Amino acid sequence: EADIYQTPRYLVIGTGKKITLECSQTMGHDKMYWYQQDPGMELHLIHYSYGVNSTEKGDLSSESTVSRIRTEHFPLTLESARPSHTSQYLCASSEFRGGGTDTQYFGPGTRLTVL
Amino acid sequence: GESVGLHLPTLSVQEGDNSIINCAYSNSASDYFIWYKQESGKGPQFIIDIRSNMDKRQGQRVTVLLNKTVKHLSLQIAATQPGDSAVYFCAENIKGAQKLVFGQGTRLTINP
Repeated sequence: EADIYQTPRYLVIGTGKKITLECSQTMGHDKMYWYQQDPGMELHLIHYSYGVNSTEKGDLSSESTVSRIRTEHFPLTLESARPSHTSQYLCASSEFRGGGTDTQYFGPGTRLTVL
Repeated sequence: GESVGLHLPTLSVQEGDNSIINCAYSNSASDYFIWYKQESGKGPQFIIDIRSNMDKRQGQRVTVLLNKTVKHLSLQIAATQPGDSAVYFCAENIKGAQKLVFGQGTRLTINP
């Protein structure tokens, strides 16, 4: 069982607002990830980090930004939310084990609705 | 692009029966595979994993089979229970890529 937390769980906001989705893990994992997922659909990687001060863009283009100032914290920010940003956002973390066998553990997700 | 896909988007089985969920992957360089279970309103939960140097791995009520020849992965769930109802995703790690590629997902429904 992984200790990874996301807040808020649900968020409904108006267009143009700035929002930050929080993600924290208490396992000391070096690697962290953000995925975007529409209901019942596959996960799309939008950002990831190898460690403090490391951030990389994922496979799906996103207007969001991330930061990694502390190992345990990986917030995602949308400067100006739009209805097209409505989705579920999942945070994950993994311990770097090398050999491509890093198992990712997921938080509960944030369901974002932009009106 | 690289993709991991599932043959069937939905699967219904009777409670107590065994279920098999399939996954096809396209990259022969993939060296690690994971099955995740996602219940409604929750994040994906790790079920079982397998490395490419294995062809079978068993857990509690679950078995993962890997056929590298045809690039096929399956998840077998024995004696399904109502709590097994969820969407199941396979994911692959492409060697050197340092990230997972997720498939479309299969919704498993357990009928009483």
